[in-house]
Amino acid sequence: EADIYQTPRYLVIGTGKKITLECSQTMGHDKMYWYQQDPGMELHLIHYSYGVNSTEKGDLSSESTVSRIRTEHFPLTLESARPSHTSQYLCASSEFIPDRKNYGYTFGSGTRLTVV
Amino acid sequence: KNQVEQSPQSLIILEGKNCTLQCNYTVSPFSNLRWYKQDTGRGPVSLTIMTFSENTKSNGRYTATLDADTKQSSLHITASQLSDSASYICVVSDRGSTLGRLYFGRGTQLTVWP
Repeated sequence: EADIYQTPRYLVIGTGKKITLECSQTMGHDKMYWYQQDPGMELHLIHYSYGVNSTEKGDLSSESTVSRIRTEHFPLTLESARPSHTSQYLCASSEFIPDRKNYGYTFGSGTRLTVV
Repeated sequence: KNQVEQSPQSLIILEGKNCTLQCNYTVSPFSNLRWYKQDTGRGPVSLTIMTFSENTKSNGRYTATLDADTKQSSLHITASQLSDSASYICVVSDRGSTLGRLYFGRGTQLTVWP
């Protein structure tokens, strides 16, 4: 079944640790995104990719980095986690739907990161 | 400034009742407006998407309306169920960019009580 998977679902980690949040999709979508969401707040785009070897920073400044070596895989890395990085991180992918003349988006279930 | 404002911020209703959530936006140029349902600890799931020429769209017990002239949308939920408890997010997309930039509202937190 086509879907988008994020691991881990929950992560509690100490300050200064390096972490990688995994995101994989089985739909063959070229465009992928990382959003950050705090409780009761809107989603903010932190990274996006148009395809393999393409990565761009989003609207919200983030100390994280991403890579896109394979179409299906879009991991996010924090070299040195800090308490200010505590948040929910959502991965998404999109495809153009010709009869709708719009992009359809699919979101993962998210990773809830807590840095202590 | 492109913005999406939702009201109310939170809402509590009894099971079986109807409710209407509001969304006002200032995004321009306008491409489409989407309503998403986000369960606690999960990612958003699409309910409806409407373009400029569409003023109503239904998905089961969910009916969305769009007034592109006043830049307002509403999501009406009929005969609410306990499983409707979630955050409902209004998302507006602009035109003119390959990315199809999305602007998110903060959501309305709906709680359905038995």
